[in-house]
Amino acid sequence: AQKVTQAQTEISVVEKEDVTLDCVYETRDTTYYLFWYKQPPSGELVFLIRRNSFDEQNEISGRYSWNFQKSTSSFNFTITASQVVDSAVYFCALSEAGEGAQKLVFGQGTRLTINP
Amino acid sequence: KAGVTQTPRYLIKTRGQQVTLSCSPISGHRSVSWYQQTPGQGLQFLFEYFSETQRNKGNFPGRFSGRQFSNSRSEMNVSTLELGDSALYLCASSLTDSRNGYTFGSGTRLTVV
Repeated sequence: AQKVTQAQTEISVVEKEDVTLDCVYETRDTTYYLFWYKQPPSGELVFLIRRNSFDEQNEISGRYSWNFQKSTSSFNFTITASQVVDSAVYFCALSEAGEGAQKLVFGQGTRLTINP
Repeated sequence: KAGVTQTPRYLIKTRGQQVTLSCSPISGHRSVSWYQQTPGQGLQFLFEYFSETQRNKGNFPGRFSGRQFSNSRSEMNVSTLELGDSALYLCASSLTDSRNGYTFGSGTRLTVV
C-alpha cells in the first residue's frame, strides 16, 4: 500500500532562515511520481514540482530545492532565505503507475509559518 | 489559459439534504479527480473520471457520486448529507493522469448544519 509521511506538523522560523520540509514515502511500485503542493489560506493547492522515480537528480528553482533519495524513500523540500509569503501548508504526495496514476496519496501536510 | 474552476465557492446545507458541486477543468484536460479535505482525515481521494468514465474510486460510501460530461466538466453529488461531510472539496484536472501532473481548483467549502 502506498503511504506518505510528513512527520513535521508545524514549523515556525524567522524570515531569511532556511527551512527543510521532510517527506518519506512507501510504495511497492518501481515506477511512481512524487509531488509537492503549497496550500495558501485561500485553499487552492498550488503545484510546485513533480518528479518520477527514475529521475533522482536534485532540482533547484530559485529559492526552492528538492532532494530525492530513493535509498531512504525521501523527497525533502528546502526553502532558502525564507520569506513571509512562503507561509502556507505544504503537502507531499505520491502517485503510482497504472491505475494508481489516477490518484494522489497525500501526506498530512506541514504548516510553515515565516515570522517577520 | 483559465485554471480549474469550481463552483460554488461556499455552500451551507442542512443535514439530510443533497448537494451538487461543479468543476470545469483546464481546456484540453480529460482527467478530472475529486478530493475531500478535512482537519481530521487530511486530503483523501474520492474518484477520478476520464472521457466520461470513472476509472478509479476512493474508499467513500455510496452517498458520494460523480459524473463527467462530454466537455470534460464534472460534477460530484453527495446525498443524505451528514455533519461529517463538512469539508473542503477540491477538484483537479490533468491531460491524462499523474504523468502529466494535476492542477487543482480553489475548492468548494461545504458546511453541513
